[in-house]
Amino acid sequence: DGGITQSPKYLFRKEGQNVTLSCEQNLNHDAMYWYRQDPGQGLRLIYYSQIVNDFQKGDIAEGYSVSREKKESFPLTVTSAQKNPTAFYLCASSIGRQDTTIFGQGTRLTVV
Amino acid sequence: QKEVEQDPGPLSVPEGAIVSLNCTYSNSAFQYFMWYRQYSRKGPELLMYTYSSGNKEDGRFTAQVDKSSKYISLFIRDSQPSDSATYLCAMSARINAGKSTFGDGTTLTVKP
Repeated sequence: DGGITQSPKYLFRKEGQNVTLSCEQNLNHDAMYWYRQDPGQGLRLIYYSQIVNDFQKGDIAEGYSVSREKKESFPLTVTSAQKNPTAFYLCASSIGRQDTTIFGQGTRLTVV
Repeated sequence: QKEVEQDPGPLSVPEGAIVSLNCTYSNSAFQYFMWYRQYSRKGPELLMYTYSSGNKEDGRFTAQVDKSSKYISLFIRDSQPSDSATYLCAMSARINAGKSTFGDGTTLTVKP
């Protein structure tokens, strides 16, 4: 089945450590996105990529980094510079048309 | 002030009730309007989208957009316990959902 796979589902990190969240899609979508969701809040865009080897900052990019070396993969690194990293992270992809935007099932990151 | 304001809820209704979920916005450039449904601990799924003003119906769901009032609504007829979820409105000035601005969500509970 086509879709977006995020792993792991739950992730625990010690303060001061970097951690990488995986996002893989087999939908042949060109665009991919990372969102952060905090309790009771909507989705805030972290980074997005329209094509391979290119990406742009979203609204809350500070403390995060991404790469887009392959069309199907868009990993997100949460660095130690992110002051409040505990959140639910969602990866999404689209082919460009509105009705084909798909979200992954999310990764819940907790800093301990 | 946020660009998109969503009725906060939570909302609790009996099975079979008609549900109205609402969002207002301030950016007159928004042209694409979406509703997502998000079950607990899952990624959002696109429920409906509309372009510009007007109504769109899909089964028990109707989306309305009033651009003159900068107001959008999602109506759910004959609500079911399986409709219990958080509903997020989103809107964009382009056909690219990755650049959408999201509301904070309304949590709906439909009681049997």
